[in-house]
Amino acid sequence: SQTIHQWPATLVQPVGSPLSLECTVEGTSNPNLYWYRQAAGRGLQLLFYSVGIGQISSEVPQNLSASRPQDRQFILSSKKLLLSDSGFYLCAWSVDSNNSPLHFGNGTRLTVT
Amino acid sequence: DQQVKQNSPSLSVQEGRISILNCDYTNSMFDYFLWYKKYPAEGPTFLISISSIKDKNEDGRFTVFLNKSAKHLSLHIVPSQPGDSAVYFCAASATGSQGNLIFGKGTKLSVKP
Repeated sequence: SQTIHQWPATLVQPVGSPLSLECTVEGTSNPNLYWYRQAAGRGLQLLFYSVGIGQISSEVPQNLSASRPQDRQFILSSKKLLLSDSGFYLCAWSVDSNNSPLHFGNGTRLTVT
Repeated sequence: DQQVKQNSPSLSVQEGRISILNCDYTNSMFDYFLWYKKYPAEGPTFLISISSIKDKNEDGRFTVFLNKSAKHLSLHIVPSQPGDSAVYFCAASATGSQGNLIFGKGTKLSVKP
């Protein structure tokens, strides 16, 4: 069966520090991968998605970047965090076809202080 | 501009009764709709989906209804159980969007014993 791992679960970082969140998927190959963010009191917003190694699409211009160095690995990064980057970050995967649900990891609660 | 709207931020229901969660959308290109359930500090869990060629899909206690002319869908939970208490997100996608889901802001369901 497929599983998705996301870490760390919580993170407190000072403004201006770098960020690296990692997500890996097991039990499937060539998945679509996604990074979403849920800010306080808001819905889930798509940040990045990837349909293959090295292929990244950005949905919202921001202070963050994503990379996919391996088929089942997706990384969310920032060189310098802002206070507004605080939120709940979720990684998800889906099979590469239409009308397939996304399956989410347990998320990372990021607090920028 | 919100393409997927959940106008009720919260709903309280007695155990054993029906819970009805509503969702409206504006984009006529959406052809796949999903409901997710989310507990605090966890990622959303996929519950049930429906494609635009159907108007009803049932899975156990959960039924999703789609009214394309009204651009409205609803999730019925019968009978409601205390363990159903969570935030429910409605989501939608369009063919060719690489599975990118657009989420509503969620409705918090409380099922009272």
